[in-house]
Amino acid sequence: QQQVKQSPQSLIVQKGGISIINCAYENTAFDYFPWYQQFPGKGPALLIAIRPDVSEKKEGRFTISFNKSAKQFSLHIMDSQPGDSATYFCAASNQAGTALIFGKGTTLSVSS
Amino acid sequence: DTGVSQDPRHKITKRGQNVTFRCDPISEHNRLYWYRQTLGQGPEFLTYFQNEAQLEKSRLLSDRFSAERPKGSFSTLEIQRTEQGDSAMYLCASSSPSGGDTDTQYFGPGTRLTVL
Repeated sequence: QQQVKQSPQSLIVQKGGISIINCAYENTAFDYFPWYQQFPGKGPALLIAIRPDVSEKKEGRFTISFNKSAKQFSLHIMDSQPGDSATYFCAASNQAGTALIFGKGTTLSVSS
Repeated sequence: DTGVSQDPRHKITKRGQNVTFRCDPISEHNRLYWYRQTLGQGPEFLTYFQNEAQLEKSRLLSDRFSAERPKGSFSTLEIQRTEQGDSAMYLCASSSPSGGDTDTQYFGPGTRLTVL
């Protein structure tokens, strides 16, 4: 049973455009929702994270929108750049410092 | 750079052989996690330690897998009698509950295992 569903599987965006990746979860006990960025041959790196007590968090060009009632959260990348081309994973956990449940990932390609 | 380190970075073995991977977490991080990632998938949780205590194990961690963290610092993951289905990237992460964001897990570069 997949607890975190991520879409789309792949995304192509033009330079300067907005990239949007969506995730939905099932377990209402989840209380921590990070997004990770992974380049080929590298481990995932934390991009931004949110907790359910806020509906939005912004860090630079990256924004998480969170909808607790719909059990959905999304990553928005503003002014997308070729260097943003990578695989993005949403994740969730239900207790601080325990197992992260990852989505299947979205491969983003930003064309110049 | 004092990030999470893993050794080896790549391992090729024959089916039936035993392999062992090492992870060195960020200094003073007392939580250490192991994940497995197959091609085109997100990381899947295997197990985690707080100091030397193994607190949680996934159903993915079959009897052929064993993880240790004997002194609460580095950790080893051993796979006995490897099977072709064990081919994957094995990722290690660490986090610290003392100060800052207690949930942030920092990942190492991974060990790529290929079982022939």
